[in-house]
Amino acid sequence: GENVEQHPSTLSVQEGDSAVIKCTYSDSASNYFPWYKQELGKRPQLIIDIRSNVGEKKDQRIAVTLNKTAKHFSLHITETQPEDSAVYFCAAWGGSEKLVFGKGTKLTVNP
Amino acid sequence: DTGVSQNPRHKITKRGQNVTFRCDPISEHNRLYWYRQTLGQGPEFLTYFQNEAQLEKSRLLSDRFSAERPKGSFSTLEIQRTEQGDSAMYLCASSLEPDYGYTFGSGTRLTVV
Repeated sequence: GENVEQHPSTLSVQEGDSAVIKCTYSDSASNYFPWYKQELGKRPQLIIDIRSNVGEKKDQRIAVTLNKTAKHFSLHITETQPEDSAVYFCAAWGGSEKLVFGKGTKLTVNP
Repeated sequence: DTGVSQNPRHKITKRGQNVTFRCDPISEHNRLYWYRQTLGQGPEFLTYFQNEAQLEKSRLLSDRFSAERPKGSFSTLEIQRTEQGDSAMYLCASSLEPDYGYTFGSGTRLTVV
């Protein structure tokens, strides 16, 4: 079945810096890759997603890139702010008909 | 309809007791998923429904776990003879299309003492 690896597990940046989180997947049939943000004690919330027919997608300060050949995708956050501090999860949707999640990255943005 | 609703938010139970959680998905979403999340880990798939049909159940799910979605609307997840290892956050999510982003509920935090 699908396996999603995510790194780093923790990331600390200074306010205003950029943050990059990377994920790899194993199932070449996977075609949908969402990213979720989970603040402490709250539900995971979808922040951006990308499909396999697109290489990059942007939404204000966040962007996601996808390399199908290498089977990896990344989340980029620019001009980080303290409210970006949270746990971020990548996920992949493939032939298994469900999302498989990475283990998460705890992002801390220091003021 | 403001989103996915889960009840209760918290449940503390003694080892060996049975517990049942409820999930009310977004009304037009025909797909409903149950995941389990432990501290420092990503959501781990348990089972999912398309309408009232349970289409897949994780091999991680022991026979003590059962889920239903009797009328294709709300769903229940029951854990029988709870063990301390069952302590986790149980998340429900729903989606409209197969390869589409989930909307998660706030979860039910289970503590088995």
